[in-house]
Amino acid sequence: EIVMTQSPATLSVSPGERATLSCRASQSVSSNLAWYQQKPGQAPRLLIYGASTRATGIPARFSGSGSGTDFTLTISSLQSDDFAVYYCQQYNNWYSFGQGTKLEIK
Amino acid sequence: QVHLQESGPGLVKPSETLSLTCNVSGSSISSPYYWAWIRQPPGKGLEWIASIYHSGNTYYNPSVESRVTVSVDTSKNQFSLKVNSMIAADTAFYYCARVRAGRFLFDFWGQGILVTVSS
Repeated sequence: EIVMTQSPATLSVSPGERATLSCRASQSVSSNLAWYQQKPGQAPRLLIYGASTRATGIPARFSGSGSGTDFTLTISSLQSDDFAVYYCQQYNNWYSFGQGTKLEIK
Repeated sequence: QVHLQESGPGLVKPSETLSLTCNVSGSSISSPYYWAWIRQPPGKGLEWIASIYHSGNTYYNPSVESRVTVSVDTSKNQFSLKVNSMIAADTAFYYCARVRAGRFLFDFWGQGILVTVSS
């Protein structure tokens, strides 16, 4: 089983600033990595797939990078609507989700 | 825009069968995508349950396969989930979703339905 580890568990950032979230896989997942955003009481929303491709309707302030085992989700100029929990997920070998990073307002 | 909506009971008794339906709009369920069920116990991680194609081809998570059945009704543009012998550990938010690619990339999700197992 591929273990996905996200860091930090909680990230406090002020609106308008940049947020950088990390995800590490226990073995290579190539570029088969997705990022989801989940707000309380809502379903996860696909943000990024293929490590760096934005899903339909996702604003350009969300960007993904990385390949192999190390990945980053960057949110430039945070807006109030961006404060949520973010999960990474590999779909290269079966599937596995990270434990999530909670992005909170500083 | 693809929209999915789950429906079913919010409360089931232990040992009973859970039946959920996912209604799909904005996309034909006969389009070349799989359709999936995923659950998330409150405050916990996401677990994929099963997926189905419009042809009826299915695949299941081995951890629940013995208790789960998925089916599709192309005439109603919907698919369904049945889970037998429900136990407290099955309490979760149940989501339906479209599989964008491969087996485990989910691009559109329903809002979810909380199912509680309790007598």
